[in-house]
Amino acid sequence: GAGVSQSPSNKVTEKGKDVELRCDPISGHTALYWYRQSLGQGLEFLIYFQGNSAPDKSGLPSDRFSAERTGGSVSTLTIQRTQQEDSAVYLCASGGALDTQYFGPGTRLTVL
Amino acid sequence: RKEVEQDPGPFNVPEGATVAFNCTYSNSASQSFFWYRQDCRKEPKLLMSVYSSGNEDGRFTAQLNRASQYISLLIRDSKLSDSATYLCVVTIQGAQKLVFGQGTRLTINP
Repeated sequence: GAGVSQSPSNKVTEKGKDVELRCDPISGHTALYWYRQSLGQGLEFLIYFQGNSAPDKSGLPSDRFSAERTGGSVSTLTIQRTQQEDSAVYLCASGGALDTQYFGPGTRLTVL
Repeated sequence: RKEVEQDPGPFNVPEGATVAFNCTYSNSASQSFFWYRQDCRKEPKLLMSVYSSGNEDGRFTAQLNRASQYISLLIRDSKLSDSATYLCVVTIQGAQKLVFGQGTRLTINP
């Protein structure tokens, strides 16, 4: 069956521009997570959605970062006024329980 | 101090060797424990969960020592295809997120 998909796979942008990253979770999965992985670093939690509950935004690094999940399915991560330190691979995962998180292939963001 | 710490390696071992990775976690409220595998430029994939009693999956054995807050992964009879980065992962009680170590890079040489 279809796994988690993310788009675009690669994004190059200029400092100061806004970017939107998209995640399509596995159908039926109620939980959706965003992480980011900077070069040589471990994965860093950003935000978590579970059903209709208020999202856990505790990992968002600044107010330039926001995310939405529409209709309990597709999610968009938005980064406003991008900075060079935002360059990373942004990974989305979906699942029903913590030990069944399935990751998408990620979006590699490069801010010039 | 990072919540989950791993030796980043790299570990370079010959095919057929046995290799062990260690991981320590700092939060005593850590609840669940996992090893994930991440191939170069790919997403992480769950390798195995780790239980207090220890568990085995083929050539892979995982151990958890809650008293020492220490997790290990043992790979026996290593294969070329085992080359990857191995991520130690924990969850914290009450927090719905995975906390990742920075990973240990393993290369199996022919």
